[in-house]
Amino acid sequence: NAGVTQTPKFQVLKTGQSMTLQCAQDMNHEYMSWYRQDPGMGLRLIHYSVGAGITDQGEVPNGYNVSRSTTEDFPLRLLSAAPSQTSVYFCASSHDGNRGELFFGEGSRLTVL
Amino acid sequence: EDKVVQSPLSLVVHEGDTVTLNCSYEVTNFRSLLWYKQEKKAPTFLFMLTSSGIEKKSGRLSSILDKKELFSILNITATQTGDSAIYLCAPWGAQKLVFGQGTRLTINP
Repeated sequence: NAGVTQTPKFQVLKTGQSMTLQCAQDMNHEYMSWYRQDPGMGLRLIHYSVGAGITDQGEVPNGYNVSRSTTEDFPLRLLSAAPSQTSVYFCASSHDGNRGELFFGEGSRLTVL
Repeated sequence: EDKVVQSPLSLVVHEGDTVTLNCSYEVTNFRSLLWYKQEKKAPTFLFMLTSSGIEKKSGRLSSILDKKELFSILNITATQTGDSAIYLCAPWGAQKLVFGQGTRLTINP
């Protein structure tokens, strides 16, 4: 089982560039989410989705866009990268977006110069 | 606003010691609370707690939830160097899993 797959694992951007972090899951989970993790900050929710065609903002949504056209995929777009977006990003999915285990991808380390 | 506070933020003990990690929370529409262990990479799932007073156990780890006082604890007995990690507490509230800052646990041989 592949589980949750994120690409790329590492990326370096210049300020102002755009990019998309890809996330795919093969567990038929309705709920998917994106977190960023910075030192000493735990994981902070960026955006989440409870099903295809439905997305909502989390705690730190500014500077990020998402879409959910299929159950499997939940890409995260950085429209104009800033150094403050340097972080480790995790995509995660769950069968139940209210109580169940959240399954994580391996993470993507993004550096913005 | 959802809030999760873990304590202590950092803990250093000797191998064989017993540790207790604390988590207090305030979230809208609480449903369950999860504990994760994070080493170098992504968090790995430890426990899901939904009912007060029922202890969940897995080997040397155990956890309990108090929904009236809004806290949970994670106990690790007979600690080993492999227990060194960041431990994250996360309650589900209104379709959001809200993470605390984590407790960084270091076990010295």
